[in-house]
Amino acid sequence: TQLLEQSPQFLSIQEGENLTVYCNSSSVFSSLQWYRQEPGEGPVLLVTVVTGGEVKKLKRLTFQFGDARKDSSLHITAAQTGDTGLYLCLVNLNAGGTSYGKLTFGQGTILTVHP
Amino acid sequence: NAGVTQTPKFRILKIGQSMTLQCAQDMNHNYMYWYRQDPGMGLKLIYYSVGAGITDKGEVPNGYNVSRSTTEDFPLRLELAAPSQTSVYFCASSYENRANTEAFFGQGTRLTVV
Repeated sequence: TQLLEQSPQFLSIQEGENLTVYCNSSSVFSSLQWYRQEPGEGPVLLVTVVTGGEVKKLKRLTFQFGDARKDSSLHITAAQTGDTGLYLCLVNLNAGGTSYGKLTFGQGTILTVHP
Repeated sequence: NAGVTQTPKFRILKIGQSMTLQCAQDMNHNYMYWYRQDPGMGLKLIYYSVGAGITDKGEVPNGYNVSRSTTEDFPLRLELAAPSQTSVYFCASSYENRANTEAFFGQGTRLTVV
């Protein structure tokens, strides 16, 4: 079983449409991060959400952390072709404690925005 | 500032051959990680290290070995390559073990085992 369940796995939309990607778990996390990966590159951090219910905006991207800190969503308004890529959520297991930290990713959402 | 550097970028191996994927970071990060990414999928943790001399297994460690003799370097060793190890391998590093610490990734090594 996957610790972090991302949905949808694939998303193909036209430029100008809105979309939402979800990252869900049955576990509670102290924080959650969203990364974006372009073809041939490593993932790059978009945002970190820390507080339950927190909403962060990054231009046309809106990130929300669930009230119970078990899930998160990424909403893109008026998608552009440049938004095409793989979107990944990530949590740091055992972060901040005496145990080691394992950075664990969801399966990812492949977004394709067509002109 | 080079960040995380992985070599080689591409490699083709024959079944049963061995190789070492190199990873180096110049940010003085304590934490380093190796992931593999299969086509169209997310990243799975192979091994990680919290500092020189300390390594631990991730989700998919079988068939791989690591060492961490210095803070800067974290090589990944494949002893007997198998077709199932065909994948893109990413190395990452982070400064702290806090929940909101950013992880920095290399550009990946694309490995094909034939």
